[in-house]
Amino acid sequence: ETGVTQSPTHLIKTRGQQVTLRCSSQSGHNTVSWYQQALGQGPQFIFQYYREEENGRGNFPPRFSGLQFPNYSSELNVNALELDDSALYLCASSRSAGQASYEQYFGPGTRLTVT
Amino acid sequence: DAKTTQPTSMDCAEGRAANLPCNHSTISGNEYVYWYRQIHSQGPQYIIHGLKNNETNEMASLIITEDRKSSTLILPHATLRDTAVYYCIVSSTNAGKSTFGDGTTLTVKP
Repeated sequence: ETGVTQSPTHLIKTRGQQVTLRCSSQSGHNTVSWYQQALGQGPQFIFQYYREEENGRGNFPPRFSGLQFPNYSSELNVNALELDDSALYLCASSRSAGQASYEQYFGPGTRLTVT
Repeated sequence: DAKTTQPTSMDCAEGRAANLPCNHSTISGNEYVYWYRQIHSQGPQYIIHGLKNNETNEMASLIITEDRKSSTLILPHATLRDTAVYYCIVSSTNAGKSTFGDGTTLTVKP
């Protein structure tokens, strides 16, 4: 069983630029959630995708957007990067966003540095 | 989702049981208790979850009080590799929308 993978591992961008981060979900999982983790803090929920539709969003501005593809992989796009966007971005997949409760499996994260 | 309160840090001797408490006094009837841990700079790792009954798996045990207002994660024989930040999350049916708090930093000492 393949786990959750993310790319790239590290990324350095300049303020005002745009970035795309990628995530491949675990086999058999159709739900992907994205989190931002600043240094020394717990992960903060950005949004979730279920069957290619956004299924909930945290307190993040519209310049944070995403996509989920038919194979359930996902992208996180951030426009107009700000210095405060520097963080570890985590992707997590789970079996379903439906009625039952399922655990999430996290990828290793992408470390984004904005200068 | 209900909020949780955890101690900032705890120490445990290697080979001893580590008992990590979590308070979730505003938990609702349909909310699960989840535990994850994060070893430095890695993605969080799922440990265990439960609704109202105590649960055990190969990693840990989860004890939930009868009124469900608090829980304890038990690592029965802590090793140095269990040193990590442990997060307790309370969430309704879809745990994928949860925001993690600051967790408990567990340090296992030789």
